[in-house]
Amino acid sequence: DTGVSQNPRHKITKRGQNVTFRCDPISEHNRLYWYRQTLGQGPEFLTYFQNEAQLEKSRLLSDRFSAERPKGSFSTLEIQRTEQGDSAMYLCASSDLRKSSYNEQFFGPGTRLTVL
Amino acid sequence: SQQGEEDPQALSIQEGENATMNCSYKTSINNLQWYRQNSGRGLVHLILIRSNEREKHSGRLRVTLDTSKKSSSLLITASRAADTASYFCATRSFGNEKLTFGTGTRLTIIP
Repeated sequence: DTGVSQNPRHKITKRGQNVTFRCDPISEHNRLYWYRQTLGQGPEFLTYFQNEAQLEKSRLLSDRFSAERPKGSFSTLEIQRTEQGDSAMYLCASSDLRKSSYNEQFFGPGTRLTVL
Repeated sequence: SQQGEEDPQALSIQEGENATMNCSYKTSINNLQWYRQNSGRGLVHLILIRSNEREKHSGRLRVTLDTSKKSSSLLITASRAADTASYFCATRSFGNEKLTFGTGTRLTIIP
């Protein structure tokens, strides 16, 4: 069990560019979540997947944001036409619905996005 | 949006003392969880308390839940320098799979 990994750890981009982040959950965890955290605040929910199905999206997830989990394993989060307000830490978490501890979410280290 | 608020926003105590932080939330919940976040590291789950429970212990952690007041507290006993971190409460509502986090308490343990 290597934990949740996220790549890249840091991303600096210019306004208007597209960026893509990757999350690799704990092996065989069937739920995968994306959150966004800005400085001094708690994480805010963006979306989650059960296997490959995207089951819920926050209103925070504008049409510039898209997330996929094509094979029910890793997930990608893409932001198109980035804006300075997108600067934040993007956190991925996973959990296993089949276990009694399914309420516990295991978080990755995050990808810090800076939009110049 | 944040579900609730933590109080205090920041807390500094001497090593060995107990630290108490509080969390208030707004809507009915299925469970409430506490997470720790160290600088440069991800969030780590500490403890979960269900809506039908009033108190729970895990090692040096004690969590209480008062659903009538929509509030919870986290007590860390015999604090250590390694406890220095931000602590967040997170709630999960019935029929909802997402976690809604509070604003966090920044705890500093002074050696």
